[in-house]
Amino acid sequence: DGGITQSPKYLFRKEGQNVTLSCEQNLNHDAMYWYRQDPGQGLRLIYYSQIVNDFQKGDIAEGYSVSREKKESFPLTVTSAQKNPTAFYLCASRFSDTIYFGEGSWLTVV
Amino acid sequence: AQSVTQPDIHITVSEGASLELRCNYSYGATPYLFWYVQSPGQGLQLLLKYFSGDTLVQGIKGFEAEFKRSQSSFNLRKPSVHWSDAAEYFCAVGASGNQFYFGTGTSLTVIP
Repeated sequence: DGGITQSPKYLFRKEGQNVTLSCEQNLNHDAMYWYRQDPGQGLRLIYYSQIVNDFQKGDIAEGYSVSREKKESFPLTVTSAQKNPTAFYLCASRFSDTIYFGEGSWLTVV
Repeated sequence: AQSVTQPDIHITVSEGASLELRCNYSYGATPYLFWYVQSPGQGLQLLLKYFSGDTLVQGIKGFEAEFKRSQSSFNLRKPSVHWSDAAEYFCAVGASGNQFYFGTGTSLTVIP
């Protein structure tokens, strides 16, 4: 079954710890994206990657890092430098000028 | 700069009533326009998209949207709302460089 898989669905992190959110797609899409969603603020772009081994910062990249070593994988690391990391994170991939989303991951800092 | 405005934060309609969700965009070139729906705690599902051609586009779940260039609008409509349509709706514009810009969303409540 093709699609975009995000894991884990729910994650709790202690302050000062880094955490990595996984995003895998088997759709053979070239471009992948990470968005952050907060209530009332819509979706904000963190990072995006158009091809393997290349990625660009979005509007709110500070405190986040990514890698794109394989076409199907685009993991997002939320570092301890991110001041307010509690949010819903959405991964997406693009095909034919349209983006498609995974089911999202909830990150809570405790 | 590209931007998307959804003026209605929250809308309540009765089941069976018609629905219109507003979306205005700001973009210098011919835009690619999208509507997505999000159920609580889930990802976004594509309802419909407009790239060119007929300005009235049909989507899934009985939704349609009309592109009006003169008003920079792309409003979403449904003739008869079902209780299962209660969700968050996002309008988006696709820009050059393969970036996408989203509105802040409209939350739809459907009352019996």
